[in-house]
Formats: sequence, structure tokens, C-alpha cells
Amino acid sequence: DAKTTQPTSMDCAEGRAANLPCNHSTISGNEYVYWYRQIHSQGPQYIIHGLKNNETNEMASLIITEDRKSSTLILPHATLRDTAVYYCIGADSNYQLIWGAGTKLIIKP
Amino acid sequence: DVKVTQSSRYLVKRTGEKVFLECVQDMDHENMFWYRQDPGLGLRLIYFSYDVKMKEKGDIPEGYSVSREKKERFSLILESASTNQTSMYLCASSLPSKGGHEQFFGPGTRLTVL
Repeated sequence: DAKTTQPTSMDCAEGRAANLPCNHSTISGNEYVYWYRQIHSQGPQYIIHGLKNNETNEMASLIITEDRKSSTLILPHATLRDTAVYYCIGADSNYQLIWGAGTKLIIKP
Repeated sequence: DVKVTQSSRYLVKRTGEKVFLECVQDMDHENMFWYRQDPGLGLRLIYFSYDVKMKEKGDIPEGYSVSREKKERFSLILESASTNQTSMYLCASSLPSKGGHEQFFGPGTRLTVL
């Protein structure tokens, strides 16, 4: 079973920040949370990962709650090319990624 | 630019045929993975490999086998294709870190078994 739950779909206006929530209340203390995205007809693309602290890179920011039960991926200035399925992923005891169904994010002009 | 390539984007085979899906990475990664992706189910791990000639079963290995004779190449084999193996197949590679933080994916092979 996936260790994370996400909304099925979300909309966001172009140029605005896209905030994608994820619940991972069953994740253990030493397990990372990963975010990938998949643009239509392409393989998934790594975005960011984190353990306890907030993280930022050139693509996005990841905000993890203090109790680690949830996190939010932030795309600061969404463009039409950010339309994709976004996966919030946990890992199993063998450190393999457990993929759920993801959130379909649609950026609207 | 780092790259994972898969031998075909689209493939059509008949039930009972032996099918080979090839994956090659040019990043000198130790880890390689094969997933299948079906609508509404996310990615499911079929097999993975941590090194040459090593292989580990994933969540859904039944009906599949793999081969890793060279570090850069990881092959998925369907010994006798069946219609329920119609799917998108994705190959990925990563460095040998616990958690496989960043997996690099190929473009996928859409296999149809008639």
C-alpha cells in the first residue's frame, strides 16, 4: 500500500504558486519523502526530497510539518509546462519507492 | 546530458511470444529498475538490480525475468506474453544510495499484447 495520500487533481492559474499537499502519517522517522512529476507521455522526473527540514532547489520548495505527517510541494511561479501528475512518495523497508496515483495538476492560462 | 534509453517507444506482440525490453543508461549507475504503469495504479516495481549479475524481485515479478550482464544495460523479459501484460514499462537508474533519492527514468515502452 502507498504510504502517502494526495488529492486526485488540482488547478492553478499560470504565474501563481502551486501548492500540492500530501499526507504521510504512517511514514517512519527515518524515511524520506520524495516528489516526482510525470508530464504526459514521458518518464517520471525527480523534483525534490526531504526528511525533516524544509528543502528548496531550482524547481520547487518542500515544506514538511514538524510532526512529519504531511508536506507541501510548492512551485513558486507555475507555468503551463508544469502541467503534470505529481507524485508524493514514501519508501518501504528496503528503501524502494512506493508510488501512489499522484495529483494531476493543471495550470490554466 | 544524462540519459536512460529504452529500445522501443511502442511495441505490439502476440500472446505467447517472448518479449525483450532493453534499457541502457550512460551515467555509470549501479542501480537499475523496471516498473510497469497502469492507469490509476501508479508505478509498480517489477525487478531491480544493484549490480551486474544481481537481481531482486520487486512487488510484481510474476511472468517476468531480467538480465544484467553489463552495468549499463538491464533487460526485462516476458517469457510468454499475455494480454494482462499490456502496459507502459518504465526503466530507471540511480546511484547506490539508500532510498534511491533520484531515479532517472527512460521515456517508457508502451507494450500491447494481442
